[in-house]
Amino acid sequence: QKEVEQDPGPLSVPEGAIVSLNCTYSNSAFQYFMWYRQYSRKGPELLMYTYSSGNKEDGRFTAQVDKSSKYISLFIRDSQPSDSATYLCAMSPGNMLTFGGGTRLMVKP
Amino acid sequence: GAVVSQHPSWVICKSGTSVKIECRSLDFQATTMFWYRQFPKQSLMLMATSNEGSKATYEQGVEKDKFLINHASLTLSTLTVTSAHPEDSSFYICSARDGARVSYNEQFFGPGTRLTVL
Repeated sequence: QKEVEQDPGPLSVPEGAIVSLNCTYSNSAFQYFMWYRQYSRKGPELLMYTYSSGNKEDGRFTAQVDKSSKYISLFIRDSQPSDSATYLCAMSPGNMLTFGGGTRLMVKP
Repeated sequence: GAVVSQHPSWVICKSGTSVKIECRSLDFQATTMFWYRQFPKQSLMLMATSNEGSKATYEQGVEKDKFLINHASLTLSTLTVTSAHPEDSSFYICSARDGARVSYNEQFFGPGTRLTVL
């Protein structure tokens, strides 16, 4: 079993839809939780960072962490075609990052 | 701020040759740099961690004699793929941690280098 599980998708939604992306994990030592966006043939770009449990909102993006369930989510409101990318969750106990496999999102106009 | 560059962005080489990839932190001092490899439609796999001025720490299964890492300054790390073979073809991405940021362990990623070995 992988430490971080993420549905690879692809997830296809119409423009304007609310997107929900999720990861589950098994290592209870993870304290820092991040979401990265990666366009094809580009390096990952940090979208959201959360420490411990709770919610964090930044524009159209909301990150949620539920440590009791070992489950994290990223919500994208009013999705745009430019949001089409692979979204990677990543988590850390304090030093190294462990990535999920990534979910490919396609937002259709 | 917190920009990381990589050079080259794409390289094609013949089997048996060596290729050097540079990773630079442009506007901060990177006390720690990381090298990842990413195969198509897969996630990033950490290859090694390097701290400025010391030897790199390699992940299990990564050959240190094949993937030479040098982190000689606070703004530059290099990865040399020695005697490259077609199975080494991949997307190599570096990331850097800003030594001045102590609140958490964010890594800033470079744009990646696509290596194709013929």
